[in-house]
Amino acid sequence: QKEVEQNSGPLSVPEGAIASLNCTYSDRGSQSFFWYRQYSGKSPELIMSIYSNGDKEDGRFTAQLNKASQYVSLLIRDSQPSDSATYLCAVNIHQAGTALIFGKGTTLSVSS
Amino acid sequence: DAGVTQSPTHLIKTRGQQVTLRCSPKSGHDTVSWYQQALGQGPQFIFQYYEEEERQRGNFPDRFSGHQFPNYSSELNVNALLLGDSALYLCASSQGLVGSYEQYFGPGTRLTVT
Repeated sequence: QKEVEQNSGPLSVPEGAIASLNCTYSDRGSQSFFWYRQYSGKSPELIMSIYSNGDKEDGRFTAQLNKASQYVSLLIRDSQPSDSATYLCAVNIHQAGTALIFGKGTTLSVSS
Repeated sequence: DAGVTQSPTHLIKTRGQQVTLRCSPKSGHDTVSWYQQALGQGPQFIFQYYEEEERQRGNFPDRFSGHQFPNYSSELNVNALLLGDSALYLCASSQGLVGSYEQYFGPGTRLTVT
């Protein structure tokens, strides 16, 4: 059974610190990896996508992918209280088009 | 730029009833995927529609069915509702079945089955 694993948290960091969120996946055939942010009571919002090994930076966010280790991470620099949310890792289901499998999410709390 | 829209926002149904949820994709998108999100869980893939056909299906019973219209909008139908069907139902749109897999979610429909 294909799985995506995340630590549920909560992960607590002070304002201005770096938050590090991690995700592992079981399907070696997966090619596309995504991070979504979900505020309480809202729907998931796409914040990062990554398809190749290495780092991808977008503003305060950096996604890191290591396909050999089946590991993807999200770093949030200069964390702000507004970053407090649940972060969902999603991976495409190999041989299933663009369908995604999600982890349960990591809850991040940034204290001011 | 019109994003993904869903209706209704909230819905309360009785066990055994049937429900229809609606979704309009983001402008320029032609693929619609449906997900079910239970409280405290990540979204679970139900099925995906492209060119008015169901292309992929997750591990959901036949009580869950769908449709895609020529204008790319989509419906999710659930028959014989169970208490366990209570969840947030999310529609996500994307462009095509290959290339960028980025999916954008609508606001969701909160279904409560009593």
